[in-house]
Amino acid sequence: GAGVSQSPSNKVTEKGKDVELRCDPISGHTALYWYRQSLGQGLEFLIYFQGNSAPDKSGLPSDRFSAERTGGSVSTLTIQRTQQEDSAVYLCASSSTLLGAGDEQYFGPGTRLTVT
Amino acid sequence: GQNIDQPTEMTATEGAIVQINCTYQTSGFNGLFWYQQHAGEAPTFLSYNVLDGLEEKGRFSSFLSRSKGYSYLLLKELQMKDSASYLCAVASGGSYIPTFGRGTSLIVHP
Repeated sequence: GAGVSQSPSNKVTEKGKDVELRCDPISGHTALYWYRQSLGQGLEFLIYFQGNSAPDKSGLPSDRFSAERTGGSVSTLTIQRTQQEDSAVYLCASSSTLLGAGDEQYFGPGTRLTVT
Repeated sequence: GQNIDQPTEMTATEGAIVQINCTYQTSGFNGLFWYQQHAGEAPTFLSYNVLDGLEEKGRFSSFLSRSKGYSYLLLKELQMKDSASYLCAVASGGSYIPTFGRGTSLIVHP
């Protein structure tokens, strides 16, 4: 079956512009996660959605970052007034449930964001 | 917060065995994950440990000691395709959301 998909695969934007990154999770997966990965750094947790519950936004680095998940499926991560330090690979993952039973996360291919 | 430590880089020879260590400091342990990530690709799940001991899965095994805050990933019969970054991730506190270490870049040479 289809895995997690993300679009665009690459995005180059000018400093100060807004960007939207999209994630399509695996069908039926109730949990969705956003991470970002900078060169030489580990995956940094950004935000987590589980079903209809309020999202866990504890990882968002600033109020320029926001995300929504419509209909419990597709998610959009929005970065306003982009800065050069926002340049990273943004990864989306989904899992069938909360990872309490060790359910694995399935990652998408990521969106490489470059802010010039 | 959590502190997850793993070596930055390791090299090994094709056909050999390599052990990648991960140490962590957390409060309220909820499980440890290992992921493999090839350059330019998404991470893929390798293993999950929540109880002490060794979990074996083909050429890959993962070990956990909760009292020591320590895990390792053991790769046997190394192949060139095993060259990748190996990510240790720990879920803790009131959350099952894994926090990732910086990863260990493994280079397998002939």
